[in-house]
Amino acid sequence: SAVISQKPSRDICQRGTSLTIQCQVDSQVTMMFWYRQQPGQSLTLIATANQGSEATYESGFVIDKFPISRPNLTFSTLTVSNMSPEDSSIYLCSVPQGARTGELFFGEGSRLTVL
Amino acid sequence: SQKIEQNSEALNIQEGKTATLTCNYTNYSPAYLQWYRQDPGRGPVFLLLIRENEKEKRKERLKVTFDTTLKQSLFHITASQPADSATYLCALDGDGTASKLTFGTGTRLQVTL
Repeated sequence: SAVISQKPSRDICQRGTSLTIQCQVDSQVTMMFWYRQQPGQSLTLIATANQGSEATYESGFVIDKFPISRPNLTFSTLTVSNMSPEDSSIYLCSVPQGARTGELFFGEGSRLTVL
Repeated sequence: SQKIEQNSEALNIQEGKTATLTCNYTNYSPAYLQWYRQDPGRGPVFLLLIRENEKEKRKERLKVTFDTTLKQSLFHITASQPADSATYLCALDGDGTASKLTFGTGTRLQVTL
């Protein structure tokens, strides 16, 4: 099983600033996913972080707002740019559970509050 | 568009009873359906996966059913314990790769003594 570390675990940010969230996995994985969980809402997939190429974004999410880096098979970052209070959310990194089909490991999440 | 419904109201049950949580979906034909547990301030933890051609799956005190005709999954916890108190999320997977999971909002379960 994979161990996923996310930093920061929580932060309070000012409107208009940007924050980068880091995700470190203890094993090499092909696919890494970034999810958002807004208060009282379901997890929503933001994008798939691809090693060596641009991330693949889901409908409603754009690279300018959520730039993603994936420099190697164990690490990824998600930046939330030009934040507004609507970006207050939990951001979660996840990876597939090894060679098994379908299940995901999740990090503990990064809780962002934008004032 | 795809829609997943889980009871947004908390489910309160007494220790030792069986908890049953419901996941209904529309406009979707998932190949797999998954259940996760999420504790406050933590990331979701995978519990069970059931395939579209399976009717039932069990793991210890957990049981999941999947009715593709009704477009519904039931998640049962038998002999429930206070430690089972958490939010339980269902997720639909169209192709089994987990590359585009669609999650429900979850149902909070509270097990009391």
